[in-house]
Amino acid sequence: DVKVTQSSRYLVKRTGEKVFLECVQDMDHENMFWYRQDPGLGLRLIYFSYDVKMKEKGDIPEGYSVSREKKERFSLILESASTNQTSMYLCASRDRGGTDTQYFGPGTRLTVL
Amino acid sequence: TQLLEQSPQFLSIQEGENLTVYCNSSSVFSSLQWYRQEPGEGPVLLVTVVTGGEVKKLKRLTFQFGDARKDSSLHITAAQPGDTGLYLCAGCTGTASKLTFGTGTRLQVTL
Repeated sequence: DVKVTQSSRYLVKRTGEKVFLECVQDMDHENMFWYRQDPGLGLRLIYFSYDVKMKEKGDIPEGYSVSREKKERFSLILESASTNQTSMYLCASRDRGGTDTQYFGPGTRLTVL
Repeated sequence: TQLLEQSPQFLSIQEGENLTVYCNSSSVFSSLQWYRQEPGEGPVLLVTVVTGGEVKKLKRLTFQFGDARKDSSLHITAAQPGDTGLYLCAGCTGTASKLTFGTGTRLQVTL
């Protein structure tokens, strides 16, 4: 079974702090994604990565950056956390095989005070 | 940014009832996926539909892709409490297979 793990289930940070969210997948997938999920808005793509050291902005990249130094690990960085970044953050990796499925981690609920 | 609107946003029904969830867009998608998300977990893929007009069945769940590949529906027959969750449609475009997610439908099935 594909497994996508995220470093924390719950995180509380203060405004202005630098925040790192880590995601690891164990299926050798090239593509990885970071989304945020807010009620009534569904999932919105922040950044994605085609492969190691490759990244592309999604629909809402402002205030975020990413790092992909190893194939299995994709990190989301909030350089200076703000209260409007309080949200559920979901990481996914993609199987480029027949089903084109995205496999999601359990999410990190981030609260910025 | 492409938008996928789902309706209804919330649905609370009793066990045994039937229901339909709609996913609509003004954009054309190469394929459309449906996911279910349970509390505390990430979304899990239920089905992918690719061809306009395609109908797929997964036990009591029936998925349909519109002829013009702009909309989709999910019909659940004889709902059970285990169907409770957040249902998300997601449209796929482009070679990167980026997904555009719908706004979500939260379903509650009670005994």
